[in-house]
Amino acid sequence: NAGVTQTPKFQVLKTGQSMTLQCAQDMNHNSMYWYRQDPGMGLRLIYYSASEGTTDKGEVPNGYNVSRLNKREFSLRLESAAPSQTSVYFCAGRGGTGKLFFGSGTQLSVL
Amino acid sequence: KNQVEQSPQSLIILEGKNCTLQCNYTVSPFSNLRWYKQDTGRGPVSLTIMTFSENTKSNGRYTATLDADTKQSSLHITASQLSDSASYICVVSATGTYKYIFGTGTRLKVLA
Repeated sequence: NAGVTQTPKFQVLKTGQSMTLQCAQDMNHNSMYWYRQDPGMGLRLIYYSASEGTTDKGEVPNGYNVSRLNKREFSLRLESAAPSQTSVYFCAGRGGTGKLFFGSGTQLSVL
Repeated sequence: KNQVEQSPQSLIILEGKNCTLQCNYTVSPFSNLRWYKQDTGRGPVSLTIMTFSENTKSNGRYTATLDADTKQSSLHITASQLSDSASYICVVSATGTYKYIFGTGTRLKVLA
């Protein structure tokens, strides 16, 4: 049982490059989330998807786009990476009791 | 403004000792509070959930308490082990919303 799987685990980009962070879950979650985690700060919500085909902006959506391709997959895209987007990114699915199930994270550095 | 504050920021204890982590919140209307454990390089994992009517809940050596009147929660770790070294994050949910409010976490290090 894989749970929530994120790829890649590590990535280094140059300023201006684009990339997509992938997230897939096999837990049948309707709701999925993308968070970023920075030192000294709590996890901050980038985007949220309540169900397949719907997405909503979170607290810090600027510079990001998302796609809920189907129930299993929720991807996060950086169109033109900036150094301020250096962070650890977590995808999560929400279980029936409201418990979040997190992936293992993507550590992104933008030079 | 909905906020979750945790203390201390970091803590070092010797293996076998007990410790207590604190969480204060100003989230309304309150739905529930969860404690998550985050090992280095991993995503957070839920330890326990506290709802409005619950005062105490245990999960092995972890015991969470909730005082809804003072809006405080604590996580007590008994007989600490090296594997308890991690960050512990307090997360509060408001009723009727999909959003979660995260604390900044307490980084615990257990020394042999």
